[in-house]
Amino acid sequence: GAVVSQHPSRVICKSGTSVKIECRSLDFQATTMFWYRQFPKQSLMLMATSNEGSKATYEQGVEKDKFLINHASLTLSTLTVTSAHPEDSSFYICKTGTSTEAFFGQGTRLTVV
Amino acid sequence: GDSVTQMEGPVTLSEEAFLTINCTYTATGYPSLFWYVQYPGEGLQLLLKATKADDKGSNKGFEATYRKETTSFHLEKGSVQVSDSAVYFCALRGLGGSGNTGKLIFGQGTTLQVKP
Repeated sequence: GAVVSQHPSRVICKSGTSVKIECRSLDFQATTMFWYRQFPKQSLMLMATSNEGSKATYEQGVEKDKFLINHASLTLSTLTVTSAHPEDSSFYICKTGTSTEAFFGQGTRLTVV
Repeated sequence: GDSVTQMEGPVTLSEEAFLTINCTYTATGYPSLFWYVQYPGEGLQLLLKATKADDKGSNKGFEATYRKETTSFHLEKGSVQVSDSAVYFCALRGLGGSGNTGKLIFGQGTTLQVKP
């Protein structure tokens, strides 16, 4: 199946800085990318849905100015956590898919200190 | 809204033991149900799925049956191996999703550790 490469797998940053997470689809055109977040012992929660070339759609309660999503091409989508704070520490994972399969990135463990 | 609840982990078993990971859901209509597995350092992978009531999904010795009457989709394996150690996620896709590009709703994940 297709591969989604997500980087970085782990990142530690200082409060107030920004972190960019990339998801690249390596052998197919990712028209839609979903971004999820998972806090410890909780479900994977959908944050936003992005379509190539258009603005992302954010779920209720997710700050669009804090979590910037760019999906400028069919092979790359990025999530930037701006002015990160310790409460943003979480596991972030991207997902795309075809009509029959879903493909996930490896996930990014973000720790804000 | 739709939701998925999994049994809390971690689950620790000896090799060749029987595994059950409970999963129940709340949804309108007849959602599709999935089990995903995440091995250390890797992305989520589809383990098995069922798209209608009484369907049984199976793969790699794992099974789960879509039970509409109990709104459950419990994962079972008769004899686990060390290589099955991973995090398992139960998920549903509601009627609004199209194909497999639609929105998935996940349980919180259950960590399985199998000891030799």
